[in-house]
Amino acid sequence: AQTVTQSQPEMSVQEAETVTLSCTYDTSENNYYLFWYKQPPSRQMILVIRQEAYKQQNATENRFSVNFQKAAKSFSLKISDSQLGDTAMYFCAFFLGGTSYGKLTFGQGTILTVHP
Amino acid sequence: DAGVIQSPRHEVTEMGQEVTLRCKPISGHNSLFWYRQTMMRGLELLIYFNNNVPIDDSGMPEDRFSAKMPNASFSTLKIQPSEPRDSAVYFCASTSPGQVYNEQFFGPGTRLTVL
Repeated sequence: AQTVTQSQPEMSVQEAETVTLSCTYDTSENNYYLFWYKQPPSRQMILVIRQEAYKQQNATENRFSVNFQKAAKSFSLKISDSQLGDTAMYFCAFFLGGTSYGKLTFGQGTILTVHP
Repeated sequence: DAGVIQSPRHEVTEMGQEVTLRCKPISGHNSLFWYRQTMMRGLELLIYFNNNVPIDDSGMPEDRFSAKMPNASFSTLKIQPSEPRDSAVYFCASTSPGQVYNEQFFGPGTRLTVL
């Protein structure tokens, strides 16, 4: 079974600064996907960024980028130029490839607060 | 598209009562997932369907929980009888068919409180 661990229950950052959220996972498989989801106070789960395990290049989406270290099974999220709207809980998630459907395994989440 | 629709958004009930949560997936999506979010256990998958057929229900906590998907546009999650420890936010998500991973789109969730 796969596990996902987020070791930072809470993080805070000043507006316009950069913050990195950590995530490690455990799997013996080679074909998988990793994700970061954002859950603002509205509770809506929003996909921030995804990474296919077979891709060596780190994914980037505007101010969001990841540092994917496959051998170390590490998948951190970097948020640049933090904005007040980035305040949310962030979940790291794992998906085992092979089908278009299947379960997402989530980490425990990291609450990020962006201060003005 | 309206996205995944869940109802009710909030439910408060008393212990022992039956609770039914409802979900309408995005049109054209053929896989549907029920997740539960609690402070203690985080986000966990309860059950998922593909083409209306339950594929994996190993996350369903106990026999008090049941889920159905009578057609491609509707699913229910029922708790009978409910207990205070069932208090949580329940999410429904859906995804479209394909050979590789497709994004799961989440509904807004139902916050259930069992007194």
